[in-house]
Amino acid sequence: DAGVTQSPTHLIKTRGQHVTLRCSPISGHKSVSWYQQVLGQGPQFIFQYYEKEERGRGNFPDRFSARQFPNYSSELNVNALLLGDSALYLCASSFYGTVNSNQPQHFGDGTRLSIL
Amino acid sequence: DQQVKQNSPSLSVQEGRISILNCDYTNSMFDYFLWYKKYPAEGPTFLISISSIKDKNEDGRFTVFLNKSAKHLSLHIVPSQPGDSAVYFCATGESGTYKYIFGTGTRLKVLA
Repeated sequence: DAGVTQSPTHLIKTRGQHVTLRCSPISGHKSVSWYQQVLGQGPQFIFQYYEKEERGRGNFPDRFSARQFPNYSSELNVNALLLGDSALYLCASSFYGTVNSNQPQHFGDGTRLSIL
Repeated sequence: DQQVKQNSPSLSVQEGRISILNCDYTNSMFDYFLWYKKYPAEGPTFLISISSIKDKNEDGRFTVFLNKSAKHLSLHIVPSQPGDSAVYFCATGESGTYKYIFGTGTRLKVLA
């Protein structure tokens, strides 16, 4: 069974540009969460989507947006890129998305975004 | 305002010995706890979890201990193997909510 897949694996952008990152969840999983991991830190929650609805948002500016499609795949969009947006962006999927003892989140390998 | 702390950035252990990784949290509403392992260039891999109704959960070489009164959990790996060398993250959240909070990670190096 395929795990969580993310594309692209690496991306280089310049300040002011925008970027779209993509995620396909594990088959059967209806929830997708996005995390940002900067060097030396743990993953920081950005968004969660469940059944195409935004369920929650972390402490990130409005330049960050996301959506989920009918097939449960998801896109993360970041506008007006800043140097500080350089990070590993991780997508995680689970069946329900809620913190639940029977449904841990499973992560993709991430997209490494570098801003020049 | 760090709600989840892993105070040891790194740990070195001899192969065959026990590795103990620690995690502290501040919010008493957190009742589900997980450990993830991360190799370079890969995403975090789920390792083991525990809910607050238990104080111990075992899975093979991995055991997680939870001390609710101290708001502390630990991951024990016995015996440690070179393949266990990775960054370990603890994560936690409140059941029924949607948000997990991660610690900063501990880099474990198991020496052959």
